Amino acid sequence: GQNIDQPTEMTATEGAIVQINCTYQTSGFNGLFWYQQHAGEAPTFLSYNVLDGLEEKGRFSSFLSRSKGYSYLLLKELQMKDSASYLCAVFSGGYNKLIFGAGTRLAVHP
Amino acid sequence: ETGVTQTPRHLVMGMTNKKSLKCEQHLGHNAMYWYKQSAKKPLELMFVYSLEERVENNSVPSRFSPECPNSSHLFLHLHTLQPEDSALYLCASSQEGDMNTEAFFGQGTRLTVV
Repeated sequence: GQNIDQPTEMTATEGAIVQINCTYQTSGFNGLFWYQQHAGEAPTFLSYNVLDGLEEKGRFSSFLSRSKGYSYLLLKELQMKDSASYLCAVFSGGYNKLIFGAGTRLAVHP
Repeated sequence: ETGVTQTPRHLVMGMTNKKSLKCEQHLGHNAMYWYKQSAKKPLELMFVYSLEERVENNSVPSRFSPECPNSSHLFLHLHTLQPEDSALYLCASSQEGDMNTEAFFGQGTRLTVV
C-alpha cells in the first residue's frame, strides 16, 4: 500500500528554525515534493527531491534519503507568514500519481 | 491569471441535485488530476488523466463522474451526493514524462452537500 507519515502539528518561534519530517512507503518512487498550503487556499510548490541529499532554496531546504524512505523540510528564520500546513507528496507509480501525506500544521508564534 | 482555474469556488447542493465542477489549465500540461481534501485528512487522489485518457480511478463512488474533453479541460460531474462528500475539491495539472515537474493546483471548489 501507500503510506506517507508526517507529524500533525508543530509550533515554533519567529526567527527560529524548524524541521518537518516525512517518512514514506510507496509502490514506486519518482520524486518527493513539499507543498505549502495556507488555510482556504490551494497548495503551492516549495521543493522537489529526486536524488539523495539536500536541496536549498532561500530560507527553505529539503532533504531526501531514498534508502530510508525519509525526507525533511527545514525552514529557517521563521516568519509569521510561514504559519501554514506543509504537505509531503510522493510521485508514485507508472503514471505520475502524486500521493499526499496528511500535512503538518505549523504555527509560528512571536 | 492563475495557471489552473476552477469554477465555481463555492457550491451548495442538495442530495438529489446534479452539478459539475470545471477545471481549466493554461500551462500546456498533459496530465490533470482531481483531489478531494476533507478536514484533517490527507489530500485523496480521485482521478488522473494523462493525454486525455483516464489512467487512475482510486475506488471513487460512481456518483462522481470525471470527463476530460481535451488536455486543457477537466470536469467532475456530481449526482446524488451524500453529506460526507462535502469537502474541498482540488484540480491539478502537471507535465507527464518530465521528472522535474511539479503539479500546479487550482484554488479548489468548496462543496457542501445538504
